[in-house]
Amino acid sequence: ETGVTQSPTHLIKTRGQQVTLRCSSQSGHNTVSWYQQALGQGPQFIFQYYREEENGRGNFPPRFSGLQFPNYSSELNVNALELDDSALYLCASSDYNEQFFGPGTRLTVL
Amino acid sequence: AQSVTQLDSHVSVSEGTPVLLRCNYSSSYSPSLFWYVQHPNKGLQLLLKYTSAATLVKGINGFEAEFKKSETSFHLTKPSAHMSDAAEYFCVVSGGNQGGKLIFGQGTELSVKP
Repeated sequence: ETGVTQSPTHLIKTRGQQVTLRCSSQSGHNTVSWYQQALGQGPQFIFQYYREEENGRGNFPPRFSGLQFPNYSSELNVNALELDDSALYLCASSDYNEQFFGPGTRLTVL
Repeated sequence: AQSVTQLDSHVSVSEGTPVLLRCNYSSSYSPSLFWYVQHPNKGLQLLLKYTSAATLVKGINGFEAEFKKSETSFHLTKPSAHMSDAAEYFCVVSGGNQGGKLIFGQGTELSVKP
């Protein structure tokens, strides 16, 4: 176990809805990254937060947004859900040397 | 731009035989390279990492990888497969400092036959 937790474990939404996924980082880590893993694919970088500021973003539209809180936990928000947003969403907290991944949230969009 | 290519989408070995999972990378500067493993319904676990120190990197569970700059490769090996090694393996390159963006390959599914 890495000490990174994510909630919820599973989630089912319909097209057009909005969703919020949550991540608690490992103690002492001030950086959180989010990744999307579609079925049968490798994870793709969505964005990273460092000390509550966005610190890099992948090729995802603005309807993917995030927050990092003073305790370094984080949220991923997705608006106007599309069928292709169905995926495993992974959160990783990091120190300088390594990213530690949580178990993920499985999002299904119907 | 940085990228990794995993040359096999699926590898099947017998228990007790060697494992070879192949990865080629592309990077405009000296990369940091990683191998992660993902067991079903579990998060990603770091097996090993290369960060410009020794070219032969030893990881957990008997895995190792060799960084070959001339071949732009970072293949993962293990002398003897165990049933518990069956999982999805990802070759990863860092997009910046090690706390930054990770770029994943498509993955190689390793099956281990009894």
